[in-house]
Amino acid sequence: SAVISQKPSRDICQRGTSLTIQCQVDSQVTMMFWYRQQPGQSLTLIATANQGSEATYESGFVIDKFPISRPNLTFSTLTVSNMSPEDSSIYLCSATLAGYTDTQYFGPGTRLTVL
Amino acid sequence: KNQVEQSPQSLIILEGKNCTLQCNYTVSPFSNLRWYKQDTGRGPVSLTIMTFSENTKSNGRYTATLDADTKQSSLHITASQLSDSASYICVVVTDSWGKLQFGAGTQVVVTP
Repeated sequence: SAVISQKPSRDICQRGTSLTIQCQVDSQVTMMFWYRQQPGQSLTLIATANQGSEATYESGFVIDKFPISRPNLTFSTLTVSNMSPEDSSIYLCSATLAGYTDTQYFGPGTRLTVL
Repeated sequence: KNQVEQSPQSLIILEGKNCTLQCNYTVSPFSNLRWYKQDTGRGPVSLTIMTFSENTKSNGRYTATLDADTKQSSLHITASQLSDSASYICVVVTDSWGKLQFGAGTQVVVTP
């Protein structure tokens, strides 16, 4: 299994600012993912982050708004740029140990509120 | 339209009772189906993973079933406990890229 931690656990930010969320995995993983979960809703995939290559973004999400880094096999960051109240959500990091068909492990999430 | 539909949306049950949650999906091609438990303020935790050839899988008091012909799955909780209060999410993994399709979840509340 994998244990995933995220920082910060929550934050309140002003409109127009940016926030970087860190995701740390306790073992080397092949694939990492970033999700958004709005209140009462299920998870929506933002992007897939593989080490050594550009992140792959889902429809409706762009790199300028959600830049992602994946510098090694245990760490990734997601930045929410130029925030607006519509970005208020929970952001979750997840990872698989052995590829897409393996269990996906999730971090605890970062609860973001934009004023 | 969401390709993974869960019912009911929410459920209140008495401690000690059983309950069954439903998941219908239309996604294709199918790789595997997963049930996750998400406690409030936490990330989802995997309960079961079932491939096309598996009809049932258990994890303690949780038993999942899969009918790949009718594209239906269920999650049965036996002898519910207060700690079972959570959202239960059905996830279907599709195609070789392993894209996850998430259901909206069933919110279960177990009362004393």
